[in-house]
Amino acid sequence: DTAVSQTPKYLVTQMGNDKSIKCEQNLGHDTMYWYKQDSKKFLKIMFSYNNKELIINETVPNRFSPKSPDKAHLNLHINSLELGDSAVYFCASSQEGVLLSAYEQYFGPGTRLTVT
Amino acid sequence: GENVEQHPSTLSVQEGDSAVIKCTYSDSASNYFPWYKQELGKRPQLIIDIRSNVGEKKDQRIAVTLNKTAKHFSLHITETQPEDSAVYFCAASFSKTSYDKVIFGPGTSLSVIP
Repeated sequence: DTAVSQTPKYLVTQMGNDKSIKCEQNLGHDTMYWYKQDSKKFLKIMFSYNNKELIINETVPNRFSPKSPDKAHLNLHINSLELGDSAVYFCASSQEGVLLSAYEQYFGPGTRLTVT
Repeated sequence: GENVEQHPSTLSVQEGDSAVIKCTYSDSASNYFPWYKQELGKRPQLIIDIRSNVGEKKDQRIAVTLNKTAKHFSLHITETQPEDSAVYFCAASFSKTSYDKVIFGPGTSLSVIP
């Protein structure tokens, strides 16, 4: 019954490696997001997709590449991991209104990435 | 620019007292203001939201007020309980050409002391 799920929950890896985080939502929402939450708890939006189309692409290193194979999935691939990438990454989804006006976002459980 | 400020960054209250968290936003066109609660190690979850056509909204012990002229909004929690201890995030929507973008404030860590 999980609404927004992410895998893995924990990810420990070494600098320079490439890793992926997967996200799936079963709410029928059209819009999905990736957020980064650092050690100071700031929730910073990274990307947003609406119906598989990229609509938000914040100032994020191009080592980060989102992929949305369908509107229920949004995966995040990270190349050449760096120490500063260590954070909790949250996936979220929402059902936008007319002209994509904002509504409640449903967050996944988060993926704690530790780069050593 | 797109900015949401939030104060205080930390707040301690005695159980039963009220807690108030204040936020300001930069875009006068913002029209959606949600509040999220994040317990330790958990995901953020919506607790209440308000749209710009409403000045106040209440849900049991939680209320949000909005002052569009001053571009600020506040969360009020009455009769606080230890389970209210969490990080609270305010947010505001910023209108783009064909979609809204929600920007979060930096968060307030609330501790309710039994």
